Amino acid sequence: GQQLNQSPQSMFIQEGEDVSMNCTSSSIFNTWLWYKQDPGEGPVLLIALYKAGELTSNGRLTAQFGITRKDSFLNISASIPSDVGIYFCAGQLTSGTYKYIFGTGTRLKVLA
Amino acid sequence: SAVISQKPSRDICQRGTSLTIQCQVDSQVTMMFWYRQQPGQSLTLIATANQGSEATYESGFVIDKFPISRPNLTFSTLTVSNMSPEDSSIYLCSVPRQGAIYNEQFFGPGTRLTVL
Repeated sequence: GQQLNQSPQSMFIQEGEDVSMNCTSSSIFNTWLWYKQDPGEGPVLLIALYKAGELTSNGRLTAQFGITRKDSFLNISASIPSDVGIYFCAGQLTSGTYKYIFGTGTRLKVLA
Repeated sequence: SAVISQKPSRDICQRGTSLTIQCQVDSQVTMMFWYRQQPGQSLTLIATANQGSEATYESGFVIDKFPISRPNLTFSTLTVSNMSPEDSSIYLCSVPRQGAIYNEQFFGPGTRLTVL
């Protein structure tokens, strides 16, 4: 099926550093969701974005809905060891439906 | 958000057998969704479980291979039939936030299936 291009695919960072990842597509989306998945667990919703240009924060996490509606960004500030995991974006193509396309994931590893 | 549980949490099965996965939600929900996550991969929607009617399957997934039941508004099952090693995946159910129009989705803990 379709997937969103998510980058980077993986990253190693030092504790305390800021992290940036993004999802891009040639399609226009109505909603963007960002999830974190720990090993052996289901994805946990971090942030939801509903409008182009919207910037939303959740603690140390900040996400933005790209102005073109074709991309989204997630930033994590001052990373800590528990930020380790896989981060997925998900885009909703059509408003009022359950049709979400998931990104390929960014695997984050934090070095203490 | 709703509390979602799945059973079993993991299983190891033999080729050719079938496994039924249960998903229980602590509140009534209009729709429930089943996803597959193959090893090291992203999530792919299998089908939407509709209460009182047949499930709606996505391209590449068929009812004979993944029969789904939805007997009430808090419960659904997904069966993986005639399994092969290629079916080894994490199977996840999800539900939308109530009161919203499918904007946010919440996932259960997943069922990790290994087929030998």
